[in-house]
This record gives sequence, C-alpha cells and structure tokens, in this order.
Amino acid sequence: ETGVTQTPRHLVMGMTNKKSLKCEQHLGHNAMYWYKQSAKKPLELMFVYSLEERVENNSVPSRFSPECPNSSHLFLHLHTLQPEDSALYLCASSQDPGGTEAFFGQGTRLTVV
Amino acid sequence: AQTVTQSQPEMSVQEAETVTLSCTYDTSESDYYLFWYKQPPSRQMILVIRQEAYKQQNATENRFSVNFQKAAKSFSLKISDSQLGDAAMYFCAYRSDLNAGNMLTFGGGTRLMVKP
Repeated sequence: ETGVTQTPRHLVMGMTNKKSLKCEQHLGHNAMYWYKQSAKKPLELMFVYSLEERVENNSVPSRFSPECPNSSHLFLHLHTLQPEDSALYLCASSQDPGGTEAFFGQGTRLTVV
Repeated sequence: AQTVTQSQPEMSVQEAETVTLSCTYDTSESDYYLFWYKQPPSRQMILVIRQEAYKQQNATENRFSVNFQKAAKSFSLKISDSQLGDAAMYFCAYRSDLNAGNMLTFGGGTRLMVKP
C-alpha cells in the first residue's frame, strides 16, 4: 500500500468521451501533483496544487482540467482528447513546505482511440 | 530552467555485481535536492535515495549510494550487489529549494536489466 491511490488503473476512451482520473492520498500531505509519462519522453509536470490552490499549470491543453476539492483528493477531468494524449498519468503528493520528497501512485494507463 | 540528463537509455549488470547509472543536471541555483527514483513494472515510482545539495557527504541507503559532484553537476547512482529485483527504470530528478511545492524535473530514465 503506497499511501497514494489512483483509479482506474487502466482506461480506454474515445476522442469524444469525457472521463475523470482520481487520486487519493492517505499521508496527510498538503500538496498534490499530476505528471504525464509518455513513451520515450521525460515525465512532464502538468499541475500542482499546494494547500488546495493551483500553483502551476505548465501550459497544459484545456482538454485536461484538474480539480482539487480537498487536500486528500485530486482529479483530472478529460474531454475531447487526442491519440497523442495516450500515456501513463501519475499522481504524487508531498508535504509543503518541509517535505523533501514526493510519493507517487501507481498511475493510470490511458489509451485514447 | 533546470534540465536533467541521463545519457544511458539502458544498462545491464550481472547479479551480485556493481553498476553505476549516470545523471547530469543544469541549474543556476545553489540550493536544491536530487533524487533517484525506481519504477518497476508495477509502474509506481519509488524513492531510492536523495541528496541535499548543501551536504558534501554522499548519501547512502544500504546497497545504493550516490557520487554527488556539485561543481560538475553530476549525480550518479551506484548499486552494489545487484539483485534481480533491482531491474527497473531508474529516474534521476531535481527539485529546486525555491519554488512552492515539490515540483520535480526528471531525466529521461535508464532501464536497468539484471542478468542471473
């Protein structure tokens, strides 16, 4: 048990679908993150929430919409995605300030068809 | 902006032998953190070891140790007595001490194979 749980583990969706990825952390952290891991590319930071406020967007397309209703939960809402959005989406959490490392979930493998 | 480079896409080591994974980074900051994460086939990123830039002493965690060369901006990971369970993707990561949150910049990863 990692302390950071992501659901679903796998998701296949059409380009016109709307779906959401969920992340939950049980570590008492106050910062949460979405990373995108594509084949043959470094992990890319997508969104950061610290104390439930969005800190960084990193120019992610608007078809990705994050939501952080409280410090334990983070969502990534998906709509009208493209095939190139297929990737592993990783959620992480940490304590901010003071924490020196991030703890990751097992990711959601997303395939857009 | 900081960048992290791992020049070895793949490495192979014999079980019980020692292997070193390379990582270089570019930054203008003086205070920061460096990490090595392991990602096995289960996909979860697991912290292997971390190094604070202000510490001159190299970090060590059991069979894992680092060679931190701040002036050269180099941060290599040495795995001693390699085990089959060490087979995974290894990512080097950088974290600024200045920004909010724990935003990590990752290298491209090195796939480590362990031969029995």
